[in-house]
Amino acid sequence: DQQVKQNSPSLSVQEGRISILNCDYTNSMFDYFLWYKKYPAEGPTFLISISSIKDKNEDGRFTVFLNKSAKHLSLHIVPSQPGDSAVYFCAASAFNRDDKIIFGKGTRLHILP
Amino acid sequence: DARVTQTPRHKVTEMGQEVTMRCQPILGHNTVFWYRQTMMQGLELLAYFRNRAPLDDSGMPKDRFSAEMPDATLATLKIQPSEPRDSAVYFCASGLGQNPSYEQYFGPGTRLTVT
Repeated sequence: DQQVKQNSPSLSVQEGRISILNCDYTNSMFDYFLWYKKYPAEGPTFLISISSIKDKNEDGRFTVFLNKSAKHLSLHIVPSQPGDSAVYFCAASAFNRDDKIIFGKGTRLHILP
Repeated sequence: DARVTQTPRHKVTEMGQEVTMRCQPILGHNTVFWYRQTMMQGLELLAYFRNRAPLDDSGMPKDRFSAEMPDATLATLKIQPSEPRDSAVYFCASGLGQNPSYEQYFGPGTRLTVT
């Protein structure tokens, strides 16, 4: 029972264009959402997060959008750069319950030259 | 430069052998997590600790896996006996829990191959 779903295993985007990675969740108790980035042979690293009281959070080229009614969030990267090629994990947590973060299966992003 | 360290980085073992993976969390972090990454399941949470106390190990096969924190600087994950299906990358992560955020810092992982 996947509580956090990333339905696209991979995505290819031209360098300079916008990359949009999508994520859906099923647990309405989730109130904090994160994106992690992972390069081969390394551990995931934190990228950006958003609280459920917001619908948008921006950090440089990265923006996360949250649609609570649809239980959907997305990560926008613009412009996409070669170094953005990595696996991106969507994750969610429930603030009032515990410290657990539930991760999706990840989306592999390829930035094409 | 504070980092989570994990040893060994790679482990190849035969089915039935005991495997011990070690993790040193970032000093001052009070939560420690063990994850397993596979192609099919992505990043699965196996167990986690807060202030060295185990809070949730529902993701672990209880009959063969065990996780402990002998002290604040060491977390261990043991598999006994190991099976080929345990082959995966095992990550340890540490964090400060809900305060100030949920950000977790991951180690580089232990790639386990059970033949």
